[in-house]
Parts: sequence; C-alpha cells; structure tokens
Amino acid sequence: EAGVAQSPRYKIIEKRQSVAFWCNPISGHATLYWYQQILGQGPKLLIQFQNNGVVDDSQLPKDRFSAERLKGVDSTLKIQPAKLEDSAVYLCASSLRRTGSPDTQYFGPGTRLTVL
Amino acid sequence: KQEVTQIPAALSVPEGENLVLNCSFTDSAIYNLQWFRQDPGKGLTSLLLIQSSQREQTSGRLNASLDKSSGRSTLYIAASQPGDSATYLCAVNTDKLIFGTGTRLQVFP
Repeated sequence: EAGVAQSPRYKIIEKRQSVAFWCNPISGHATLYWYQQILGQGPKLLIQFQNNGVVDDSQLPKDRFSAERLKGVDSTLKIQPAKLEDSAVYLCASSLRRTGSPDTQYFGPGTRLTVL
Repeated sequence: KQEVTQIPAALSVPEGENLVLNCSFTDSAIYNLQWFRQDPGKGLTSLLLIQSSQREQTSGRLNASLDKSSGRSTLYIAASQPGDSATYLCAVNTDKLIFGTGTRLQVFP
C-alpha cells in the first residue's frame, strides 16, 4: 500500500514570496491533515479536512495560509506572503475516519521550508 | 487547554540498556494516546496506540502504558539498539492530535 506522498521535499524562498505544498493521501482515506513542525517542537495541527470539507482550521493563520482539498483527494497548502517564522517542516497525514471516532493517522515525509 | 510534556528532552545511552520515556498531559479527557517515532528528514511512524480504556500496549521490544487519571504515559524500550536512535513523540487525541516536544534518543554501540 502506497503511503502519503508530499512534494516538494525541500523549498527555500525569501520572505514575502509565495509557496505551495502538495499532498496525496493514502487511497480511500477520508480525512486529511496538515501540520506545522517548527524545529525542536512537536507538530501542530493547521487544518483538517473530512473529504473536501474543512473540519478544523482554528490554528491556521488565515491572513497568509490557505489550503484546499479538491474532489476530496489531493490537497495543497499555500503560504502567501511567507515570513521568517514560517520556516518549518510541513507534514501531511491521512486517516480512514469514516465515523466520528479518531483513528490512526499516517504521515508523509514532510516538506522542509526555509524562509530567508 | 491540553498540554503535553515529554521528559527527558534528550537521552544518550549505550546499546543494550532498557529505557523509559515519559509523557504527561494535563487533561484526562482523551480518546487515545499514540507514540510516534521520527527519523531525521522523514515523517512520523506510529509505534503504539493506546485507547483511553486500555492500560498498555506492546509491540516487540516496545511497551507503552497509560494512566489517564494521573495524566501519564510511559514508553518502555527493552534492550535498546543503535537502530532505535530517533526522536520519540507522544500525542494525545482529543479529536485532534496534540503532540509533546519529543525525546531525542541516541543509542551508541
């Protein structure tokens, strides 16, 4: 079974530029998550999708971050414009979650973003 | 607000030692608790998931316990090996995963 795919793996940009990350979840997984992991910290949930609807985006900085999940499969996370403090690893995860009960999340390898 | 703390932040041990990693959380209203492993440049791999009604889970040389009433979980690694070197993260599930800051483990030959 193929895992969660993410691209690019690494990205270096200058502050005020824009960047986009892509995630392809495990086939059949209804729920998709984006996390931000700053160096030395645990991942923090940015946004959760159930199919193509947003379940939780309470910690997404909406003035600069946006995310979409078209057709309930792939997802993109965009930052526009980027700030120095956005330097982090952006992790995508997916889970089956067809009921209300939380279940195991499977993580992709992440995209390491460096903002100069 | 749920907060998750992991102690120690870093650990360096010789091969063969038995290890205990600690995780504490402030709110006992959780669905489950997971332990993850993170290797440099890679994503997270789920090691063990303990449902809130369970007390422990075992997988090979790993054993995780959960005491919801005291807000604590421990991950026990038996007979550590250099391949166990990684960062270990615990996360409580309160309808979303809330992670600790991790324990960076190095096992040297």
